[in-house]
Amino acid sequence: GAVVSQHPSWVICKSGTSVKIECRSLDFQATTMFWYRQFPKQSLMLMATSNEGSKATYEQGVEKDKFLINHASLTLSTLTVTSAHPEDSSFYICSASQGQATLETQYFGPGTRLLVL
Amino acid sequence: EDQVTQSPEALRLQEGESSSLNCSYTVSGLRGLFWYRQDPGKGPEFLFTLYSAGEEKEKERLKATLTKKESFLHITAPKPEDSATYLCAVQAISSGGSNYKLTFGKGTLLTVNP
Repeated sequence: GAVVSQHPSWVICKSGTSVKIECRSLDFQATTMFWYRQFPKQSLMLMATSNEGSKATYEQGVEKDKFLINHASLTLSTLTVTSAHPEDSSFYICSASQGQATLETQYFGPGTRLLVL
Repeated sequence: EDQVTQSPEALRLQEGESSSLNCSYTVSGLRGLFWYRQDPGKGPEFLFTLYSAGEEKEKERLKATLTKKESFLHITAPKPEDSATYLCAVQAISSGGSNYKLTFGKGTLLTVNP
């Protein structure tokens, strides 16, 4: 149980293009989904938190107009990196929790590696 | 600001050589401490959640313990397949009102040689 998938697993794009990453909870309904970014040999950094049907809450320093998050259903959240640049190249990981997330475990997807040329 | 520090950064063990990983934390109020395992190029895999000092949890060769300032992940008689990065994260009450944010440490890279 508690399986989270991401698609695509890796993507290469040209600078200036937009990239959409999907995060799905396969066997449970995710009230809350989270998006993290991880640079090589660094820890996971939370970018934003999204609740189904409402606007995402972004962490300080994360541009909401650049990283668009949509949580349209209880099993799907998407992250769109708009006008991607080489500095956006990173490993993007989503997680999902079943409840109100105050004491619920976050289950992570396999990650999406983005390379912007 | 919540902080999580893991040590050592890297640890090499021989198969069967038991050891412990440390996670020190500073938070305004701890809701839960989480241990995850991360293999290269993959997302973190959930291992344990600890909620209060004195709590212990076990899973196969792993045992996690919690005090008011740190957590230990004990690995007994490790095998090569235990090689991975082990991440510690805290869920704390923050002044900003985000009650479910996880703050991660940088992890400990464990290598178990056969």
